[in-house]
Amino acid sequence: GQQLNQSPQSMFIQEGEDVSMNCTSSSIFNTWLWYKQDPGEGPVLLIALYKAGELTSNGRLTAQFGTTRKDSFLNISASIPSDVGIYFCAGHPFSGTGNQFYFGTGTSLTVIP
Amino acid sequence: NAGVMQNPRHLVRRRGQEARLRCSPMKGHSHVYWYRQLPEEGLKFMVYLQKENIIDESGMPKERFSAEFPKEGPSILRIQQVVRGDSAAYFCASSPGRDFLRYTFGSGTRLTVV
Repeated sequence: GQQLNQSPQSMFIQEGEDVSMNCTSSSIFNTWLWYKQDPGEGPVLLIALYKAGELTSNGRLTAQFGTTRKDSFLNISASIPSDVGIYFCAGHPFSGTGNQFYFGTGTSLTVIP
Repeated sequence: NAGVMQNPRHLVRRRGQEARLRCSPMKGHSHVYWYRQLPEEGLKFMVYLQKENIIDESGMPKERFSAEFPKEGPSILRIQQVVRGDSAAYFCASSPGRDFLRYTFGSGTRLTVV
């Protein structure tokens, strides 16, 4: 199956700092999504990207669809305590059928007040 | 407008028992997906169903696992003769069609096999 690698695996940052994380795949994707998962809950969609090179913002979050179509990046500016959680990238492969996504391994974010 | 409802939230089964996980999609959603999340891992696709039809079960283990989405009632993921390795969080998502922005996850069922 498709392999999505996220890095870093975990981050511990001070409140107010900016955060960057990325996701790489072994094959081309035509859609990238970024989700946040709080403990004991399901993932919630943050940002969706549909075109190579696309840069999209949602408040303090900015994500980019890499030009190679094999990677994506998520930035969080001026982090706050409620940003704590696990961030997952997900993608729909270019050659994929059906409506399933492949998920990355997650980046666990801890914000220290 | 209720979201995707999954029950039970937590389920404990002894090895060899059956586990039944239920998912009621959002109102107006006719597409249901099941994903499994092992501890400290991402979600892995299991099966995609529309009403009364299995569209894609490529992620489903060949034995002991089955899924259905009947004309009436919730979607059911059934695991027979559970083993310790089945312990995981099982998430259901629903969508009204092929619209990624409206793909909504439930809060999951945490299965523990003892």
